[in-house]
Amino acid sequence: AQSVTQLDSHVSVSEGTPVLLRCNYSSSYSPSLFWYVQHPNKGLQLLLKYTSAATLVKGINGFEAEFKKSETSFHLTKPSAHMSDAAEYFCVVSSPGGKLIFGQGTELSVKP
Amino acid sequence: NAGVTQTPKFQVLKTGQSMTLQCAQDMNHEYMSWYRQDPGMGLRLIHYSVGAGITDQGEVPNGYNVSRSTTEDFPLRLLSAAPSQTSVYFCASSYQTGFRANVLTFGAGSRLTVL
Repeated sequence: AQSVTQLDSHVSVSEGTPVLLRCNYSSSYSPSLFWYVQHPNKGLQLLLKYTSAATLVKGINGFEAEFKKSETSFHLTKPSAHMSDAAEYFCVVSSPGGKLIFGQGTELSVKP
Repeated sequence: NAGVTQTPKFQVLKTGQSMTLQCAQDMNHEYMSWYRQDPGMGLRLIHYSVGAGITDQGEVPNGYNVSRSTTEDFPLRLLSAAPSQTSVYFCASSYQTGFRANVLTFGAGSRLTVL
């Protein structure tokens, strides 16, 4: 069975400092993994996806994630946080047949 | 603009009332789905459809009904609303339905309160 765990429910950083949002997954198959972002009172938007090509995946707005099979992790990073990055972030694994399993979400706060 | 349109954005119901949340997409997507979002629980799949005339249950289908008579529309019906159905509901669609393909396009959400 597929599952995903986001290790932090809330992360707070200062503007200009690095961002790390942690995600571990469990999958019986070679997984597809995604990060989605949800800004306040908005729908979700795809940040990036991994589908067994390069293990380092670059997304929009300077975000990237690295697929580490040995650690079953897919952490999201950004070198320098911006105020506009404040949002909720979801790590997602795709199950056979295309169903998506969402993590619980990590709320990112960015302090000026 | 192409995308997923949900109506209404906000709705307040009394316990036992029924209602329909509407979802329409104009991208010719085969796959459509409904999620509910509750604090600390991420998004949970209610029902989904892989094409017109085909629907299936997700994680939390009880109390909800769906149909898919056209490619464009995928309404979600609450048969007899309960306070436990207070949530934010998202409709999402994608072009492909295969194992590796599901990049979803989300609607803006419908916030439902059941008193």
